[in-house]
Amino acid sequence: SYEVTQPPSVSVSPGQTASITCSGDKLGDKYVCWYQQKAGQPPVLVIYQDTKRPSGIPERFSGSNSGNTATLTISGTQAMDEADYYCQAWDISTAVFGGGTQLTVL
Amino acid sequence: EVQLVESGGGLVQPGGSLRLSCAPSGFTFSSYAISWVRQAPGKGLEWVSGIVGSGARTYYADTVKGRFTISRDNSENTLSLQMNSLRAEDTAVYYCARAVEDSGYSFDSWGQGTLVTVSS
Repeated sequence: SYEVTQPPSVSVSPGQTASITCSGDKLGDKYVCWYQQKAGQPPVLVIYQDTKRPSGIPERFSGSNSGNTATLTISGTQAMDEADYYCQAWDISTAVFGGGTQLTVL
Repeated sequence: EVQLVESGGGLVQPGGSLRLSCAPSGFTFSSYAISWVRQAPGKGLEWVSGIVGSGARTYYADTVKGRFTISRDNSENTLSLQMNSLRAEDTAVYYCARAVEDSGYSFDSWGQGTLVTVSS
């Protein structure tokens, strides 16, 4: 079965750029989306179709996907961005989530 | 406003059954595929099952295939997940989530979730 891999944790200083990766075989051939989840809340879609932001998501969130790696980038990271982030892709008719990355804003 | 409200969670013994429901509002239910996604305590997200808007096709994760059944009634605006032969590892918060075809079937709306605990 298809798998995607994320680093368990990423740390960033306020105002700096955070990058969270998602790796999978030929992942660039698939659409990737990203979800933000804060403690005790359901996930929120922050990036879809690799690079697109839903309405209401700040411009500091951006995405890319090429080769075997997709990346979520948060520019000018704020304390409110501290959360778990999950990448997700479709493999045939199965949704596949990464294991999640805990973003800490120090 | 798009809303999804799950219900039906609770405590069940191993081997038992439970039926979850998801009540949608604020959108044309029959036009959207819906999935169930679960999250075990302190763990990540796991896709469980999905159903297309018409209900004609259903999909399951290998971990639940043959035990869980997803269904929908578009005339009643309801979505269900029948869970049989439950195991301890099925313990999780279960979310229903709307998938949008125009956005590559990303999950753009989620319910608050319902907790299923499988324990003796």
